[in-house]
Amino acid sequence: NAGVTQTPKFRILKIGQSMTLQCTQDMNHNYMYWYRQDPGMGLKLIYYSVGAGITDKGEVPNGYNVSRSTTEDFPLRLELAAPSQTSVYFCASSRGQGSYEQYFGPGTRLTVT
Amino acid sequence: GESVGLHLPTLSVQEGDNSIINCAYSNSASDYFIWYKQESGKGPQFIIDIRSNMDKRQGQRVTVLLNKTVKHLSLQIAATQPGDSAVYFCAENQGGFQKLVFGTGTRLLVSP
Repeated sequence: NAGVTQTPKFRILKIGQSMTLQCTQDMNHNYMYWYRQDPGMGLKLIYYSVGAGITDKGEVPNGYNVSRSTTEDFPLRLELAAPSQTSVYFCASSRGQGSYEQYFGPGTRLTVT
Repeated sequence: GESVGLHLPTLSVQEGDNSIINCAYSNSASDYFIWYKQESGKGPQFIIDIRSNMDKRQGQRVTVLLNKTVKHLSLQIAATQPGDSAVYFCAENQGGFQKLVFGTGTRLLVSP
């Protein structure tokens, strides 16, 4: 099992550009999450999904969009990138339904200049 | 606040000491708490969890204590090793679907 994989590892965007951060898990987990982590801070939830076709906003959803067309994939879309979106982005998955352990990917470091 | 986040609290210990990392949580309705370990350049890794109807839970070399009266959580690491050096986060489950709220973290530095 690869667990949770994220691509790319690093990316530099110019202000106003768009990109998609990819996340895939091979554990057949129902629940998936996107977090951002600013320097020296904890993680903040951007969006989450409890199954294919179901997504909902977390604490900091503005400027982002997600989709969940399959159980395995949960891409995060940034439209019109802004410097405030410079952060490290982590995707996580969980079996859900009684299991609270979230498995995290290695992260994507994004810089917007 | 922002200034606290930029300068993570740091706990420095000697190898073999016991470490205690503390966390204050915000929501008295939170029903579940988790400790994560994050090594430099990596994603967080689950350590141990505890439900709100418990006050203590033990794992391998780790113990979590929960004091709901003062909304305080602690992680105790026995016989701390250099490999335990990392940032430790507590997280609370404030609602359904495991929507976790993370604390700002504590850096643990272990000297040989």
